[in-house]
Amino acid sequence: GQNIDQPTEMTATEGAIVQINCTYQTSGFNGLFWYQQHAGEAPTFLSYNVLDGLEEKGRFSSFLSRSKGYSYLLLKELQMKDSASYLCAVSPNSGGYNKLIFGAGTRLAVHP
Amino acid sequence: DAGVTQSPTHLIKTRGQQVTLRCSPKSGHDTVSWYQQALGQGPQFIFQYYEEEERQRGNFPDRFSGHQFPNYSSELNVNALLLGDSALYLCASSWDGGGPQHFGDGTRLSIL
Repeated sequence: GQNIDQPTEMTATEGAIVQINCTYQTSGFNGLFWYQQHAGEAPTFLSYNVLDGLEEKGRFSSFLSRSKGYSYLLLKELQMKDSASYLCAVSPNSGGYNKLIFGAGTRLAVHP
Repeated sequence: DAGVTQSPTHLIKTRGQQVTLRCSPKSGHDTVSWYQQALGQGPQFIFQYYEEEERQRGNFPDRFSGHQFPNYSSELNVNALLLGDSALYLCASSWDGGGPQHFGDGTRLSIL
């Protein structure tokens, strides 16, 4: 089966660092994506990992361990605007960017 | 450069009716995927269109059908609507040669 797990909710303080974990079990693996979704808006692409290790992009970093079926999204210097849902998604098919299997999302609340 | 656009924004239907949702992909994209997102959940893959053909399909009944036009735009049709079809329907476009999927703002469908 296909299963992606991430925490339902997290809270953090403005200026702090937060790590959102994601574990997955899928029939294949062709990359892991993180998307940000503000309430009532479209998911927006944050990061993509296909090889093990850390990908850094500004205040956001994403890590992947394929052997452990594990990823995390690290958000630094948190801002109020980072309050949103963060979606972990896996592309299970080889041969390119095909369907995405999403977790239920982690709702992050950033408070002053 | 316009992103992914979807219409309509909101739609209210009654059980048993039929609905058509529309999507125009981001410029340069040739692949369109459709997702259903229930409240508080991650998006679920419905199907994907490439070169005017359905390339992949998720676990959705035949009541859900689609089409892709020569200009890469796409439609999602749902027949015999059920209360459980109430959800946010997201369209995502991508380039078959690589790159992440980009999402539209979605159509909020409510079934009464």
